[in-house]
Amino acid sequence: EAQVTQNPRYLITVTGKKLTVTCSQNMNHEYMSWYRQDPGLGLRQIYYSMNVEVTDKGDVPEGYKVSRKEKRNFPLILESPSPNQTSLYFCASSGLSVLGRAYGYTFGSGTRLTVV
Amino acid sequence: GQNIDQPTEMTATEGAIVQINCTYQTSGFNGLFWYQQHAGEAPTFLSYNVLDGLEEKGRFSSFLSRSKGYSYLLLKELQMKDSASYLCAVRDGGATNKLIFGTGTLLAVQP
Repeated sequence: EAQVTQNPRYLITVTGKKLTVTCSQNMNHEYMSWYRQDPGLGLRQIYYSMNVEVTDKGDVPEGYKVSRKEKRNFPLILESPSPNQTSLYFCASSGLSVLGRAYGYTFGSGTRLTVV
Repeated sequence: GQNIDQPTEMTATEGAIVQINCTYQTSGFNGLFWYQQHAGEAPTFLSYNVLDGLEEKGRFSSFLSRSKGYSYLLLKELQMKDSASYLCAVRDGGATNKLIFGTGTLLAVQP
């Protein structure tokens, strides 16, 4: 089954304790992206990757890191989480046309992160 | 700047028709998407428009007017399971190729 798998689904952590949210897709998609979703603000892009070893900042990258060492995986790293990073996080992937333009996204099931 | 506007909430009756509007002002445009999202779950793809006009897909239709920066999602024969948030998203025409999302319209279907 074609899917984007995120783990964990729920996470409660303390301020300053490093954490990683994993994301893996089995569709051989080039494009992957992380979004956070907050009430009244909608989905905002954190980071994206056009292919292996190619990553760039989205609209709200502060406090986050990503890596793309393999095509299928795109982990989101919070080096020192803070309470304002409490949110619902989604990983998404998409294929790219020959012109390098992404098609619609397939989303992972989400990670609800609480930082206390 | 980038701006996508949708109504925050709507209410409709089971069996009826509802239209959810979306207006956008973005620096680039390479297509408009509608997603459905149930509370706490992932958005799921509903429709895609890149040319002006109506796209029909079962009970769901979506319309686009690029000159007016306007789209709507039409849901027919509403069912209780259609109660969800509906997200309008514009695909940026720039190098990032990202989707820019509106804040969503929460639709409540009542018996």
